[in-house]
Amino acid sequence: TQLLEQSPQFLSIQEGENLTVYCNSSSVFSSLQWYRQEPGEGPVLLVTVVTGGEVKKLKRLTFQFGDARKDSSLHITAAQPGDTGLYLCAGPGGSYIPTFGRGTSLIVHP
Amino acid sequence: NAGVTQTPKFRVLKTGQSMTLLCAQDMNHEYMYWYRQDPGMGLRLIHYSVGEGTTAKGEVPDGYNVSRLKKQNFLLGLESAAPSQTSVYFCASSLTSGAPYEQYFGPGTRLTVT
Repeated sequence: TQLLEQSPQFLSIQEGENLTVYCNSSSVFSSLQWYRQEPGEGPVLLVTVVTGGEVKKLKRLTFQFGDARKDSSLHITAAQPGDTGLYLCAGPGGSYIPTFGRGTSLIVHP
Repeated sequence: NAGVTQTPKFRVLKTGQSMTLLCAQDMNHEYMYWYRQDPGMGLRLIHYSVGEGTTAKGEVPDGYNVSRLKKQNFLLGLESAAPSQTSVYFCASSLTSGAPYEQYFGPGTRLTVT
């Protein structure tokens, strides 16, 4: 089973600050997904990265896939209270079964 | 498109009672999954289905049964509920080609077993 480690586990910041969360593995992944889960809701897919070194931007969110495809990062610029939620990374775990990290819980205070 | 829907949203059971959670998707996805989410444990796969009429065990299948009689529906059953099954349950679906690992989740069912 391929494992995904996410850090930090918790993050509490003020509105306007920048932050980066990480998703690391000792295994190579063919792709990685990032999801955001708002309180009381199901996870929502944000992005998929597939190429080593790939960078994707989604408004104030920047996603990067490591060159070796073993790690990924999510950077949020000028965080807003609406960014509050649980950020999950996921990748193929075998036979179309994804493996999920445990997530980074982000709170952005107004 | 409603995407993935789950019924009910909340449920309280007494130990030993049974219930069925319904998941429906209108995206014509082949793969469907049931997860439970507990604090500090992340998402754990209970059962999954790769197509109509097929099911398979995931990481934590004990105490649960599933059925996929129709492509769009995936049912999760608890035959004799236990307090350890208190959790939030999520259903998800995904395509089989292109981006099979991209999952679309329902809003969840919050189950409490007393």
